Amino acid sequence: SQTIHQWPATLVQPVGSPLSLECTVEGTSNPNLYWYRQAAGRGLQLLFYSVGIGQISSEVPQNLSASRPQDRQFILSSKKLLLSDSGFYLCACTSTGELFFGEGSRLTVL
Amino acid sequence: TQLLEQSPQFLSIQEGENLTVYCNSSSVFSSLQWYRQEPGEGPVLLVTVVTGGEVKKLKRLTFQFGDARKDSSLHITAAQPGDTGLYLCARGEYGNKLVFGAGTILRVKS
Repeated sequence: SQTIHQWPATLVQPVGSPLSLECTVEGTSNPNLYWYRQAAGRGLQLLFYSVGIGQISSEVPQNLSASRPQDRQFILSSKKLLLSDSGFYLCACTSTGELFFGEGSRLTVL
Repeated sequence: TQLLEQSPQFLSIQEGENLTVYCNSSSVFSSLQWYRQEPGEGPVLLVTVVTGGEVKKLKRLTFQFGDARKDSSLHITAAQPGDTGLYLCARGEYGNKLVFGAGTILRVKS
């Protein structure tokens, strides 16, 4: 089965600083990849998804961007963080319909 | 994007009690998944239901998909503290997206 690695696990950044969260996948090829954000232990908001290298779909207008430079690598970025970007970010992948999640990256913007 | 409504939002019960949580939508699901998430971790898939009226059991957990495929329920028998967590339902949408409900936070006290 797929294994997803996310890093860093925890990040504290000042407002206006850049961001890069990385996600890599093992155990599958050509997966669909997703970035979700979760606030206060509630539901997951889909931010971006990708069906292939260089193919990114954005779900909501925001201060973030995503890139997929390799088949099993998905990166979430920002040039200037806002306070509202704080949250728990989850990378996920699927190739069979079941969604596998990474362990998440908790971002606090101060 | 069709909304998924989960109820109740929060449930606190004593060990040994039974409970049911619900997931509803105004539109038909092609399939629906239930996930469980523990604090600080990514969600883990419990079950996928596809056929209207389908019932699946996973030990003390019983999942039901409504006949009209617009609703689903999760029933836990004799809840244990280890069942504590956030229970999320999710439906697939066009474009390989998986959309989540806001979740039900379950706390089982010993």
